[in-house]
Amino acid sequence: QLQLQESGPGLVKPSETLSLTCIVSGGTISISNYYWGWIRQPPGKGLEWIGSIYYTGSTYYNPSLKSRVTISIDTSKNQFSLKLTSVTAADTAVYYCVPAYYYHSAAYYYDYWGQGILVTVSS
Amino acid sequence: DIQMTQSPSSLSASVGDRVTITCRASQSINTYLNWYQQKPGKAPKLLIYAASTLQSGVPSRFSGSGSGSDFTLIISSLQPEDFATYSCHQSHSAPFTFGQGTKLEMK
Repeated sequence: QLQLQESGPGLVKPSETLSLTCIVSGGTISISNYYWGWIRQPPGKGLEWIGSIYYTGSTYYNPSLKSRVTISIDTSKNQFSLKLTSVTAADTAVYYCVPAYYYHSAAYYYDYWGQGILVTVSS
Repeated sequence: DIQMTQSPSSLSASVGDRVTITCRASQSINTYLNWYQQKPGKAPKLLIYAASTLQSGVPSRFSGSGSGSDFTLIISSLQPEDFATYSCHQSHSAPFTFGQGTKLEMK
């Protein structure tokens, strides 16, 4: 059973870079059928997909954030990371790391979730 | 982007009630639709994937249906632990999007 744990600063200043890491346990990150992703949820609002990465390093991002987002993976440490640059108050949210399990070549679901980490953007 | 619209946004119901939540996609997404339940301060929990497949361990009072652009989540007999927010999610095409959520409250 996969377990995911997000880590990183809970407070980031405006215009700075938000950096989070997700450590995966209970299984290898170098596995087919899984993409490793980040989702965020602003307080009181809905869920927003940020982007995903395959263990080979292939990435795809939400176009609304693409210019500011980088997701990377370290298979030797069984972890993946998120960097979001030039943050503003609008980036304040709970950030979740989630593996997307592809049960079909074109369809997936999120079965395991990290506990989430609240990141507040404020000076 | 595919827009996912849920209705209602909030719903008051009583234990034992049958509850229906709908989700409409702005274009066809085949059956690439998942439903999640989220309780305050907790991560979402997968209930249903592929529009109608019940995730292992999820009570059978939950069911899903639909294809194309219209989908439904039904709770056949509401239990106290079911009061939560429910969100639909399309995995058809990026950027993958969620509905705004339906908050199910106790009447």
